[in-house]
Amino acid sequence: RKEVEQDPGPFNVPEGATVAFNCTYSNSASQSFFWYRQDCRKEPKLLMSVYSSGNEDGRFTAQLNRASQYISLLIRDSKLSDSATYLCVVRGSNYKLTFGKGTLLTVNP
Amino acid sequence: GAGVSQSPRYKVAKRGQDVALRCDPISGHVSLFWYQQALGQGPEFLTYFQNEAQLDKSGLPSDRFFAERPEGSVSTLKIQRTQQEDSAVYLCASSPGVNTEAFFGQGTRLTVV
Repeated sequence: RKEVEQDPGPFNVPEGATVAFNCTYSNSASQSFFWYRQDCRKEPKLLMSVYSSGNEDGRFTAQLNRASQYISLLIRDSKLSDSATYLCVVRGSNYKLTFGKGTLLTVNP
Repeated sequence: GAGVSQSPRYKVAKRGQDVALRCDPISGHVSLFWYQQALGQGPEFLTYFQNEAQLDKSGLPSDRFFAERPEGSVSTLKIQRTQQEDSAVYLCASSPGVNTEAFFGQGTRLTVV
């Protein structure tokens, strides 16, 4: 079993739709959780950190359930510019960031 | 520059050739990571440096892969006797501390023919 597993995708949604990404992780000792965004042929960039209490940044909401070892990202009112690959990322008790495979999102006009 | 810089951006190597990939991290960043990203996959950890010390090389796929950061700033990832399965994007990331945000370079796309 891979350490971080994500919805395989791809997701194709119309502008204005709400889309949810799901992720599970296997290492219960994991300490930090993130969503990264990667545009085609570009480097990954931090979208947001994920906290146990849940956190929101504009149209983006991230949730963490430590008991279920589950992370989610919700994008509301999706825009064309949201089209990208979304990577679920987990950091253990050390420095290492472990990435999921990524889920490709395409927002259509 | 303000960000992590990697060179070359693209490299085509003949099978069996040695290659060297360079990473210039953000100035003053303590931590430096190398990742390998195959097409359609997420980045896979290769190795980690804290200053000049290579603390973790558990992700290096074979002894053909070697990384160094001799003065705690610029890092080089060397691949000897390249194979077709080495074709991937090699990403470098740096962060100011140990458990702080990591900033990625644009990567080096290596194609082995």
